[in-house]
Amino acid sequence: DAGVIQSPRHEVTEMGQEVTLRCKPISGHNSLFWYRQTMMRGLELLIYFNNNVPIDDSGMPEDRFSAKMPNASFSTLKIQPSEPRDSAVYFCASSPWAGMNTEAFFGQGTRLTVV
Amino acid sequence: DAKTTQPPSMDCAEGRAANLPCNHSTISGNEYVYWYRQIHSQGPQYIIHGLKNNETNEMASLIITEDRKSSTLILPHATLRDTAVYYCIVSANTGNQFYFGTGTSLTVIP
Repeated sequence: DAGVIQSPRHEVTEMGQEVTLRCKPISGHNSLFWYRQTMMRGLELLIYFNNNVPIDDSGMPEDRFSAKMPNASFSTLKIQPSEPRDSAVYFCASSPWAGMNTEAFFGQGTRLTVV
Repeated sequence: DAKTTQPPSMDCAEGRAANLPCNHSTISGNEYVYWYRQIHSQGPQYIIHGLKNNETNEMASLIITEDRKSSTLILPHATLRDTAVYYCIVSANTGNQFYFGTGTSLTVIP
């Protein structure tokens, strides 16, 4: 398996523009997570899905952020409009099944720069 | 929502054992101890986890105290490639949600 695949790896955009980050979880995994990492705040859990349903989005910072999982093999994190303070590395992770004794597997991340 | 305390940084000589401590004094009975590491610019990588028994795999050993209030991750023969930030996480695993703290930055010295 190729692991969790995120695209793009790097994104540079201007303030006010819409940004969409994409994630393909490991096949067969039922849980998907979006994290954000910055120097100031470390790794923050933004939202997680179980069986394509959002379970906890309490970590989503503002209404400008939204996440969807239309099917088991694809998820998006959208920021609209983007702001310079959204600059960070965004990680997607998946795990086999919520509630079981399993680990999460992380993608390589998308480095977002908003200028 | 991190419930763990780790030293911010540690050094270890190449080839020696690296012992990384973690305090989790408020751990609940159903919470597991997980260890991840993050090598610069990469996504976090799972290392090992346990509930109350000591665990060992090809990467490391995990020693959990009898009262479960602390644990130690042991890398038996550290190499330069083990230089990374190591995160200790407690998780009830009811949702596989992992909340990362600040971790320990381990530097393996030649």
